[in-house]
Amino acid sequence: SQQGEEDPQALSIQEGENATMNCSYKTSINNLQWYRQNSGRGLVHLILIRSNEREKHSGRLRVTLDTSKKSSSLLITASRAADTASYFCATYSGSYIPTFGRGTSLIVHP
Amino acid sequence: GAGVSQSPSNKVTEKGKDVELRCDPISGHTALYWYRQSLGQGLEFLIYFQGNSAPDKSGLPSDRFSAERTGGSVSTLTIQRTQQEDSAVYLCASRPTSGRASGANVLTFGAGSRLTVL
Repeated sequence: SQQGEEDPQALSIQEGENATMNCSYKTSINNLQWYRQNSGRGLVHLILIRSNEREKHSGRLRVTLDTSKKSSSLLITASRAADTASYFCATYSGSYIPTFGRGTSLIVHP
Repeated sequence: GAGVSQSPSNKVTEKGKDVELRCDPISGHTALYWYRQSLGQGLEFLIYFQGNSAPDKSGLPSDRFSAERTGGSVSTLTIQRTQQEDSAVYLCASRPTSGRASGANVLTFGAGSRLTVL
């Protein structure tokens, strides 16, 4: 079964708007990572947040982590057409094998 | 190499044939993973190699699937007697296990091998 589940499954916005996607997980984690996958390509690592962190920023990305609710959110500010991709969260919970969710498909209209 | 290289990028085969998918990880990355991604789905873990340790095969869906890693570098995923439900993108990823970058467990993925079983 999936450890992380992203929500929503699909998101369609206009360029310049913010995009927020969420990830919920089931067991305690060491860290949570977000990856992006462009169509027909492999996944690319975006940002990592450790279990003792609550918020992290990287450029236009902001990630939050609420371990009490077992959830994380990824915010992309001032979105661009080039942000169109699928976004996955991945969690590590005691082993070296990360578990990925089903992803959020983001479409940013120019 | 500069990144994780996978081949072939596309493979079309007939049901019942065997296929081999190859992954060339980043030089020096001792950890290597195979995942399967079916259309519109997330990543399904298949197998994990770490150095000279016995691989974690817990994700392999059936005994038709096997993988090996020669010399701690290149890995081959073999699917015997392919079925239509094996159609998917097979992704390989690697990560370092020593040095400053090792603590984060960040994976670097290849572009994948798209398998279509007719």
